[in-house]
Amino acid sequence: AQSVTQPDIHITVSEGASLELRCNYSYGATPYLFWYVQSPGQGLQLLLKYFSGDTLVQGIKGFEAEFKRSQSSFNLRKPSVHWSDAAEYFCAVGALAANFGNEKLTFGTGTRLTIIP
Amino acid sequence: SAVISQKPSRDICQRGTSLTIQCQVDSQVTMMFWYRQQPGQSLTLIATANQGSEATYESGFVIDKFPISRPNLTFSTLTVSNMSPEDSSIYLCSVVTGTTGELFFGEGSRLTVL
Repeated sequence: AQSVTQPDIHITVSEGASLELRCNYSYGATPYLFWYVQSPGQGLQLLLKYFSGDTLVQGIKGFEAEFKRSQSSFNLRKPSVHWSDAAEYFCAVGALAANFGNEKLTFGTGTRLTIIP
Repeated sequence: SAVISQKPSRDICQRGTSLTIQCQVDSQVTMMFWYRQQPGQSLTLIATANQGSEATYESGFVIDKFPISRPNLTFSTLTVSNMSPEDSSIYLCSVVTGTTGELFFGEGSRLTVL
């Protein structure tokens, strides 16, 4: 069974500082990997995704993530955070389905990011 | 991309009652997914809804408690039946569109059961 671990429940970062959110996954085949952000009272928005190819993927809002197969990790990074980045971040892993539209995502428990001035 | 509208956005319900959540998508999609996000928790898949067939439920979720309808390719409903305070959660509808495998989410329906 697939699983996702986000070891940090809550992270506090100063505005302008760099950020790294950790994500480790367990999956028996080639995974799809995703990072979603959920702002207070909002739905989930996709930040970035990895399917194949370049292991460093760029996303929206200046985020990037690196897929490391040897470490089963997909950590999210941002060089300089903004106050508007305060939110809940979820890592997810899905099956590499032959027929798109058949994926079921397994989500991590999330990391809550607080930004301080 | 996909724009997903959910109704109601929030509701307060009494124990023992049932509530139906609607999900409308702005494009035709093969599969729709219903997730639950309990307070302070991650998302858990409840079921996958295909148009024209019975929904497929994940372990721990049953049709009697969470009946789902999928009458066409743009609409689905999830009913939370005989609610108890443990059902207080955000319920999210989601779809996959195109060929990128990206899962789009509605803004969720926040249910509080008293």
